[in-house]
Amino acid sequence: QKEVEQNSGPLSVPEGAIASLNCTYSDRGSQSFFWYRQYSGKSPELIMSIYSNGDKEDGRFTAQLNKASQYVSLLIRDSQPSDSATYLCAVSLYNFNKFYFGSGTKLNVKP
Amino acid sequence: GAVVSQHPSRVICKSGTSVKIECRSLDFQATTMFWYRQFPKKSLMLMATSNEGSKATYEQGVEKDKFLINHASLTLSTLTVTSAHPEDSSFYICSASPGVTEAFFGQGTRLTVV
Repeated sequence: QKEVEQNSGPLSVPEGAIASLNCTYSDRGSQSFFWYRQYSGKSPELIMSIYSNGDKEDGRFTAQLNKASQYVSLLIRDSQPSDSATYLCAVSLYNFNKFYFGSGTKLNVKP
Repeated sequence: GAVVSQHPSRVICKSGTSVKIECRSLDFQATTMFWYRQFPKKSLMLMATSNEGSKATYEQGVEKDKFLINHASLTLSTLTVTSAHPEDSSFYICSASPGVTEAFFGQGTRLTVV
C-alpha cells in the first residue's frame, strides 16, 4: 500500500469557523488527489478532486496541492455541524482508477 | 455522479460458510472495479483490482483463494469471502470509474461472521 498520512484527530472547530485538514503522501508518482467525506457506517462520497499545484475552490471547500512538498489540504469555510464526519485523503498514480487512502481525519463541528 | 450499487448492505453468516457480495455500475460500464476493506475507525485498504474478462489483481498480503473476485460483465463484479471466519468481519466497499478521473463507491457491505 502506498503511504498516505493524515492526522486522525479528532479536529474540533466551532460552527462558522474554518476547518483545515491536511494530508501528505509518499509516492512522487501520484497524479491525482481527492478528498472524500465518510459518515459513520456509510461509504465515502467525493468532495473535491485536484490535479495541479495551487488552490481549487468549490463552494465552501478549497483544496490545496503542493506536489513539491507532497502535501494536499482541504479547507472548509463556515463549518456546519453537518460537516462533522471523517475526511479521507486519497491519491491515485498514473492510472487514475487505483486509489490509496489515508486513515482519515475525524472532524467535529460544534454548534 | 455515476451510480454504483452494492448488495447486500448487511450480512451475517456462520463461520465456515461463504458469502457473495455484488457490485454493479448502474449507469456506466466499468472495465475495472476495486474492492476495499475497512476496519472500524481505520482507512480503506485496497484489496484487489477486478478486471472484466481476466483475473483479478490482488494487493500484497490479500489471499486470493480466500477472497474470490469475478468480473463477469462490464457492469458487475462479485467478491466471495470463502470459509469465512470472525476475523473476516469488516466493512467491504467496491468502487468503479466510468473512465474519467473520479471513482464512485458502492454503499458498502457490513459483514459479520459469527
